Amino acid sequence: KAGVTQTPRYLIKTRGQQVTLSCSPISGHRSVSWYQQTPGQGLQFLFEYFSETQRNKGNFPGRFSGRQFSNSRSEMNVSTLELGDSALYLCASSSGQGKDTQYFGPGTRLTVL
Amino acid sequence: EDQVTQSPEALRLQEGESSSLNCSYTVSGLRGLFWYRQDPGKGPEFLFTLYSAGEEKEKERLKATLTKKESFLHITAPKPEDSATYLCAVQVEGTSGSRLTFGEGTQLTVNP
Repeated sequence: KAGVTQTPRYLIKTRGQQVTLSCSPISGHRSVSWYQQTPGQGLQFLFEYFSETQRNKGNFPGRFSGRQFSNSRSEMNVSTLELGDSALYLCASSSGQGKDTQYFGPGTRLTVL
Repeated sequence: EDQVTQSPEALRLQEGESSSLNCSYTVSGLRGLFWYRQDPGKGPEFLFTLYSAGEEKEKERLKATLTKKESFLHITAPKPEDSATYLCAVQVEGTSGSRLTFGEGTQLTVNP
């Protein structure tokens, strides 16, 4: 089975812009979770989508949003970018049921100038 | 509040020198404890899941164990290619979904 894919892999934006990141989960997985990883804060949970519905959300401002499509692919959007949004954004997919395991993609490295 | 603490923050070993990494957790109820390995600039790679105290799992030079308060990742006769950051994460009972709470990680360096 193909693994989790994320696009783009690298992105450079300026403050105030918005950005959309994409994640394609492992075939058959219905849950997609997003995490932000920074040197100071480690891996922080953003939100999870299951069957096109957000079912869990972390403590991030409303500038961070996401959605999931009927084929389980997910997008994450960050509006009005701030310097502190520079991070590695990781997507993880899982079955979303029972004792499931999350498998991570390679991440999107976002740099905000 | 759910909390995961990993120690040490960094560990340097000589090739062949066995050691253990620690992950202690404080949660209302543990659904599962996960170990991942992460190489620089890459996404975490899944290693093990442990569900109940007393459970152990092994893979090559790695062995993970679980008690009611902590988990250990034992590395036997490590090689330079085992150098990476090792992350511990928990899923908590009573929370919907697959959300993971991560520790800060242990950065392992194995010198030849």
